[in-house]
Amino acid sequence: SAVISQKPSRDICQRGTSLTIQCQVDSQVTMMFWYRQQPGQSLTLIATANQGSEATYESGFVIDKFPISRPNLTFSTLTVSNMSPEDSSIYLCSVYESGAERFGSGTQLSVL
Amino acid sequence: QKEVEQNSGPLSVPEGAIASLNCTYSDRGSQSFFWYRQYSGKSPELIMFIYSNGDKEDGRFTAQLNKASQYVSLLIRDSQPSDSATYLCAVNAGGTSYGKLTFGQGTILTVHP
Repeated sequence: SAVISQKPSRDICQRGTSLTIQCQVDSQVTMMFWYRQQPGQSLTLIATANQGSEATYESGFVIDKFPISRPNLTFSTLTVSNMSPEDSSIYLCSVYESGAERFGSGTQLSVL
Repeated sequence: QKEVEQNSGPLSVPEGAIASLNCTYSDRGSQSFFWYRQYSGKSPELIMFIYSNGDKEDGRFTAQLNKASQYVSLLIRDSQPSDSATYLCAVNAGGTSYGKLTFGQGTILTVHP
């Protein structure tokens, strides 16, 4: 199965700043997704990262807050903009491969 | 509202026993059902998925699906302490053949020696 790498693995950021999370896959994949896992909670889908077009966001998530890029079939970025402590979560990318979604190692974000 | 419900647990079973994890879902159009295992501080790891009614076995794991009852379960045979983790049930949105997963809250499983 595909190897999915995320960077950074963790970060501590100041309120009002932005962080860009990278997701790199070792093979070309059509479907990539971004999820958020708030402390003690399950995963919530943020958006589908579409190659060559704008991301498709789920209810409650907007492009201004979570801009996503997908320049090719192996790479995507998620930016968390104008951060507040409520954005402290684990952010995960996933790829759809061989019938199921598989997840990267995640980025643990703490906002002070 | 599309929902996936799981008992949060914790579910505690002795080593060697069968652990039974249950999940119900509300979207009758859902076609794909997934079980993930998540260790503390780690990302979810796919255990198995099931598309058709009935049972699907993979090693010590068996997934069971009943679309009429909107119910999916995971059985873990010969449970080991290393199986202690949170188990997440996920269901795809009806009308889609991939992605757009909705996750349950997860069931914490503890296997004690």
